[in-house]
Amino acid sequence: AQSVSQHNHHVILSEAASLELGCNYSYGGTVNLFWYVQYPGQHLQLLLKYFSGDPLVKGIKGFEAEFIKSKFSFNLRKPSVQWSDTAEYFCAVTRSSNTGKLIFGQGTTLQVKP
Amino acid sequence: GAGVSQSPSNKVTEKGKDVELRCDPISGHTALYWYRQSLGQGLEFLIYFQGNSAPDKSGLPSDRFSAERTGGSVSTLTIQRTQQEDSAVYLCASSLDRSPLHFGNGTRLTVT
Repeated sequence: AQSVSQHNHHVILSEAASLELGCNYSYGGTVNLFWYVQYPGQHLQLLLKYFSGDPLVKGIKGFEAEFIKSKFSFNLRKPSVQWSDTAEYFCAVTRSSNTGKLIFGQGTTLQVKP
Repeated sequence: GAGVSQSPSNKVTEKGKDVELRCDPISGHTALYWYRQSLGQGLEFLIYFQGNSAPDKSGLPSDRFSAERTGGSVSTLTIQRTQQEDSAVYLCASSLDRSPLHFGNGTRLTVT
């Protein structure tokens, strides 16, 4: 069965530190990849997405992610985090042939200390 | 414009009772999804509606769970004979074809 793994469950960083959150998926076909973010008390919102083309995608608020097909990975990065980045981050995958069934990872809670 | 609206925002029910959760998607969105978010479990896919096609029910955990979407708009998720393990946040999302999902704020269900 298709699955998504996020290896870091809880990450604590100081402001200005660099961030990388790992995401690996198990499906071998053509996929679409997403990162969603849930700020405290808010609903899930899209951070960035990859459908095709340049494997390095840039999203909102300075986030970026790199799709490495050979590693089945889509890691999220940010060079310098801010306290306002404190949130829960979810990686998600859907097959290109069935864009409706989005499979999410377990999520990573990021806590940024001021 | 209005986002995805879910009601109620919180629901406390006794074990064994039936509950109905409602989702109003963004107007014009053809696809509607239900997910369940449990503590430490991430988001679990439940069911997906796309236009007039038969829904993808592959994520429903048991036959106590059902959902319908009337008129291609509002959806209701029904849980019969609730159990304590059904306690979770139930999230609804909608989208236009391949566009990213827009999520509602969810319904927090507590089964006592």
